[in-house]
Amino acid sequence: GAGVSQSPSNKVTEKGKDVELRCDPISGHTALYWYRQSLGQGLEFLIYFQGNSAPDKSGLPSDRFSAERTGGSVSTLTIQRTQQEDSAVYLCASSLSTGIYGYTFGSGTRLTVV
Amino acid sequence: DQQVKQNSPSLSVQEGRISILNCDYTNSMFDYFLWYKKYPAEGPTFLISISSIKDKNEDGRFTVFLNKSAKHLSLHIVPSQPGDSAVYFCAASANTQGAQKLVFGQGTRLTINP
Repeated sequence: GAGVSQSPSNKVTEKGKDVELRCDPISGHTALYWYRQSLGQGLEFLIYFQGNSAPDKSGLPSDRFSAERTGGSVSTLTIQRTQQEDSAVYLCASSLSTGIYGYTFGSGTRLTVV
Repeated sequence: DQQVKQNSPSLSVQEGRISILNCDYTNSMFDYFLWYKKYPAEGPTFLISISSIKDKNEDGRFTVFLNKSAKHLSLHIVPSQPGDSAVYFCAASANTQGAQKLVFGQGTRLTINP
């Protein structure tokens, strides 16, 4: 597509439930990133996929968080047993293999855990 | 451990004057710096960047200055326009082991007053 598409745009869930957030990157972009922005905070790196390489999961805050990227395209970020501190805007970005120079962000998913 | 810091959460500037947004970093391995602009309910968009081999990069009304010895960079917008009102994020990257993820600051909310 023309841009990075994220769904849903908003998600309200009850504490303890699992959620899945989806990201459709720009066609042809081999690198895909997940970040999150909590209230009053900067963008926090979560995970990075580059081609067929093992993902860099160093930013995932706990083992309740996981992500996969199927077929080198669509990515799903899953949060299990959600907690209130998981409330944030989750942003996905993609880029060509040259990485940081061409980051394009999606509009994000606003997750609210009640 | 906040490697990229934007110490001013907000800045208010009169239309037509210069806006100066500041950013400090601690990791001497960072070799590429970027500024992103974010409107509400949208993803951040790339604004301007600078490599560590330069100390200045200019693009129209936007200029980024890098002071490596002080580990400081700044974004100058002149003249400021109402449409510049947004949150500005400073970001940095170190190409370590092929990883090209960005480290972001907390953001500065810029308001341009007519």
